[in-house]
Amino acid sequence: GIQVEQSPPDLILQEGANSTLRCNFSDSVNNLQWFHQNPWGQLINLFYIPSGTKQNGRLSATTVATERYSLLYISSSQTTDSGVYFCAGESGGAGSYQLTFGKGTKLSVIP
Amino acid sequence: GAGVSQSPRYKVAKRGQDVALRCDPISGHVSLFWYQQALGQGPEFLTYFQNEAQLDKSGLPSDRFFAERPEGSVSTLKIQRTQQEDSAVYLCASAISLPDTQYFGPGTRLTVL
Repeated sequence: GIQVEQSPPDLILQEGANSTLRCNFSDSVNNLQWFHQNPWGQLINLFYIPSGTKQNGRLSATTVATERYSLLYISSSQTTDSGVYFCAGESGGAGSYQLTFGKGTKLSVIP
Repeated sequence: GAGVSQSPRYKVAKRGQDVALRCDPISGHVSLFWYQQALGQGPEFLTYFQNEAQLDKSGLPSDRFFAERPEGSVSTLKIQRTQQEDSAVYLCASAISLPDTQYFGPGTRLTVL
C-alpha cells in the first residue's frame, strides 16, 4: 500500500500567524482528503482534493498529483484551529477504496 | 440525523468479553468503512462495505474481529474475546459513492482492562 508522510509533526503558532502543512505520498492517489481532528476526537472534513487548488475561508489546499504531494494553508490562525490535521489518500487499486492516513500534524495556536 | 452516528461513545470491557459497536451511516450512503485509531496515530483501515456486501476485510487484525451490514444501512463491528491491544477508538465512515468524500462519525472509544 501507499505510504503517507506529513510534516511538520508538531507546530506551535501565535494567533494570527499563517502556516503550511505538507503531505507526501509514496505513490499516486485517486482520492486525497484533509481532515481536522478536534480535541474531542471528531474528524472533520476540510477538503476532498485529488488535484488542483481549493479554498474555504481561511483554509486552502493544493494537490500536485504528478509530484505526489499536497499542501494545506492556514491563514490568520485562531485558537479554534488547534488540533491534529490529517491527510489521507486512496491508492485506487481494483476495489480498493480505503484511506491511508499520515501520522498527522499537531497544531497548537496560542493567544 | 445529518451525520454519521456511532454508539456507544465509550465502552469499557474486561479482557475476554465480547463487544459490539454500532454505526449509523448518513442516509443514502452506499459505502461504509470501519477504521481503528490508536492513541497518537492516524486511523487505520479495517473493513469496507458496499451496501450489504463486505468487499474488503483485509485490515481486520484477527479472526476475533467481525463486521456486518445485513440490510445495507446500519453496521456492527464485533470483537470477540477482547484483548488489551484492542483498546483504541473505532471510527466509522460513510460515502455516497466512491471515490468521493468519506464522512466520519465521532467514534467509539474502547478500553479493555
